[in-house]
Parts: sequence; C-alpha cells; structure tokens
Amino acid sequence: AQSVTQPDIHITVSEGASLELRCNYSYGATPYLFWYVQSPGQGLQLLLKYFSGDTLVQGIKGFEAEFKRSQSSFNLRKPSVHWSDAAEYFCAVGSNTGNQFYFGTGTSLTVIP
Amino acid sequence: DTGVSQNPRHKITKRGQNVTFRCDPISEHNRLYWYRQTLGQGPEFLTYFQNEAQLEKSRLLSDRFSAERPKGSFSTLEIQRTEQGDSAMYLCASSLGGAGEYNEQFFGPGTRLTVL
Repeated sequence: AQSVTQPDIHITVSEGASLELRCNYSYGATPYLFWYVQSPGQGLQLLLKYFSGDTLVQGIKGFEAEFKRSQSSFNLRKPSVHWSDAAEYFCAVGSNTGNQFYFGTGTSLTVIP
Repeated sequence: DTGVSQNPRHKITKRGQNVTFRCDPISEHNRLYWYRQTLGQGPEFLTYFQNEAQLEKSRLLSDRFSAERPKGSFSTLEIQRTEQGDSAMYLCASSLGGAGEYNEQFFGPGTRLTVL
C-alpha cells in the first residue's frame, strides 16, 4: 500500500538560510509525487510534482525537489528561505488508480528573522 | 471563478445533528474529491467522483456519511448524527483528467466542523 512519511514534525530556520524538508514514500511502482503548502486559512497549494523524467523538479516560489528512487525519497529544498514561507508542508503520493492522494503528516516550518 | 470554493467555511453543531457541506469545483473539472484533515495530520481521502459517478470510497466514510454530485458540477457531503470525532477540516479538491491520469488536484479552503 502507498504511504508517505515526513520525519520532521516541525522545523525552524532563520530567514535567508537554506531549507530541506524530508519525504519518504512507500510504493510498488513508479510513484507520482507532490509537494503541497498550506498556510493558515488557505487551501493546499501545489508547489511541484514529479511524474517522470528529470529527477530534479522545479516548482513555484523558488522550491525544488529531487526524486531518489534508491532512497525512496522526494525531499523539498529551497536555497534561501523567506519569512513568507512559514507554513505547513505536505508531501503526497498519487494512488495507482490516479484517484486519490496519500498525504504525509506534514512538516510545520517556522522562519525566524 | 478562479478556484474551488467551499461553504460554509466554519460549522459548529451539537452532537447528533446533521450537517451538510457544499463544494463548487473549478468549472471545467470533471473530477471531485473529498478529504478530511484532523489537527496535526495530513488530509485523508474520503471519496472521489468522476462527473456524477461516485467511483471510490474510503473505509473512513462510514454509513453516516454520504456524498453526492448530482449534475457533475457541485458536490455535497452530509454527515448524519454527528459525533465529536467528526470534528475536522473537510477539504474538497477538483481536477481534470481521464481514468488513470494523474493531474494536479486543486484544493478549496475547507470547511471546519466543530461538534460540541
């Protein structure tokens, strides 16, 4: 069965510092992977997605993620964090039917000045 | 319309009452999904529609829950005889695609349900 693990419940970084949020998935075939961001009172917004091809994918707001099949990981990175990046981040894997996502429990990001 | 809308945004009810939520997807999207999100957790899939047909239901969707999408446009999610454990954020999402296709799901802002 598909599942997603986000090992870090909460991360605090200084503004301008680099960021890496971890995501590990369990899936029997080629996964369809997503990162979403959720700000208070806002809906989930897609940051980036991986379906196939280049394992380094670029997203919105300066985010990128790298798919590593050997490690079953899809970590999210940003070279320089802005205060507005403070939010909850969710990694998700698409089901083999394409009909639903399996989400991780999320990582809460705090950005300090 | 630039996104998925959900109404109401907040609902407070007493245990045992029935509640109904509405989701209006992006107009050209043929797929609609309902998820439930509790505090500290990621969204959990509840059910999925392709046009007006409800094609998949999670075992989380007990018999007190029912969802409809009568004309393949908006959808409603009803919870009967609410319990305190139903307190959660209910999220709706929509996407455009055929069977087996993976497309971005666009999420609404959610309806937060509190059962007293």
